[in-house]
Amino acid sequence: DGGITQSPKYLFRKEGQNVTLSCEQNLNHDAMYWYRQDPGQGLRLIYYSQIVNDFQKGDIAEGYSVSREKKESFPLTVTSAQKNPTAFYLCASSSSGGRNEQFFGPGTRLTVL
Amino acid sequence: AQSVSQHNHHVILSEAASLELGCNYSYGGTVNLFWYVQYPGQHLQLLLKYFSGDPLVKGIKGFEAEFIKSKFSFNLRKPSVQWSDTAEYFCAVKGSNYKLTFGKGTLLTVNP
Repeated sequence: DGGITQSPKYLFRKEGQNVTLSCEQNLNHDAMYWYRQDPGQGLRLIYYSQIVNDFQKGDIAEGYSVSREKKESFPLTVTSAQKNPTAFYLCASSSSGGRNEQFFGPGTRLTVL
Repeated sequence: AQSVSQHNHHVILSEAASLELGCNYSYGGTVNLFWYVQYPGQHLQLLLKYFSGDPLVKGIKGFEAEFIKSKFSFNLRKPSVQWSDTAEYFCAVKGSNYKLTFGKGTLLTVNP
């Protein structure tokens, strides 16, 4: 089955700890994205990557970091500098080019205690 | 910078009622427009998209949307909703920078 996997589905961490969220795709897409979804806020772009070894900050990148060492993987690290990390995190991917739709993973719900 | 405004936070309808969800965007250039849907417990998925050509776009499950350039709008419509349409709906715009900007979403509740 082609698609995007995110693990784990639920994640709990203590305040002050860094945590890394996994995102893997087997759609052979060049571009990958991380969004944060909060109730009543829609989806907000954290980071995106159009190609391996390159990524750009989105609208709310502070307190987050990413890497793109492989085409199929785009892990997101939520650092202790993120002031309000509890949220639902969605990973997406798309073919390169402006007309291509983004496909989304099932999401990871992070709760920081 | 591009932005998207969805007029309704929560819409409650009875089955068979007609639906129209408002979406307005702000962007000075050529845009690509999307409606995504998030059913309870499921992935966000694409309902329909507009790139160019006929401004009336048909999507899955009987949904359609009309792009009105002069009004910067891309409203979603369905003539008769079903209980299974209960979901959260997101309008999104993509400009020349390839970034997809989402509205805050509209929660649709359809009562049987």
